[in-house]
Amino acid sequence: NAGVMQNPRHLVRRRGQEARLRCSPMKGHSHVYWYRQLPEEGLKFMVYLQKENIIDESGMPKERFSAEFPKEGPSILRIQQVVRGDSAAYFCASSPPTDIVGYTFGSGTRLTVV
Amino acid sequence: DAKTTQPPSMDCAEGRAANLPCNHSTISGNEYVYWYRQIHSQGPQYIIHGLKNNETNEMASLIITEDRKSSTLILPHATLRDTAVYYCIVRVAARGGKLIFGQGTELSVKP
Repeated sequence: NAGVMQNPRHLVRRRGQEARLRCSPMKGHSHVYWYRQLPEEGLKFMVYLQKENIIDESGMPKERFSAEFPKEGPSILRIQQVVRGDSAAYFCASSPPTDIVGYTFGSGTRLTVV
Repeated sequence: DAKTTQPPSMDCAEGRAANLPCNHSTISGNEYVYWYRQIHSQGPQYIIHGLKNNETNEMASLIITEDRKSSTLILPHATLRDTAVYYCIVRVAARGGKLIFGQGTELSVKP
């Protein structure tokens, strides 16, 4: 049973380009969470999704950022018109629909904006 | 979710037990205590969780005080690979819901 798969591991984008980060949850997990970690800072919650629904996007910047978790395929975090301040590690976690187990995190995508 | 307080850093000698404290004095009756760790630049890793009883698994033990206002994560025989930031998180165990990470404790295991 593969863990949470994130790709790419490293992504370099020029300012103004779009970044697409993908997350495939563990088998049987229908809840996905995205977190951002700026250099030398802590983990910040961004968005929580279930299949085809955004449940909590209270941590998402109001502009340029969007997330989806379609019925088929991975969850996608999209950043439009990237700026240098978007350079960070983006982690995805997944959990099953039942209650109290711990979440499983992926290895992250390191986004560098040049 | 209740707020937690952890010391910013701790040292531990290799092979000795590492005891990481966490205060959660405003914890509610239906909130669990979770511990995660993040080894440098990797994704966070779930360690253990508990409600009111002490818990043990292959990674660690969790001791929760009787009044549930504090807890201690114990790594019985710390190794250099246990050097990481350890996070204590308190939350209601429901169907999903975000984890809020604080600053955690940076544990350095030294030879």
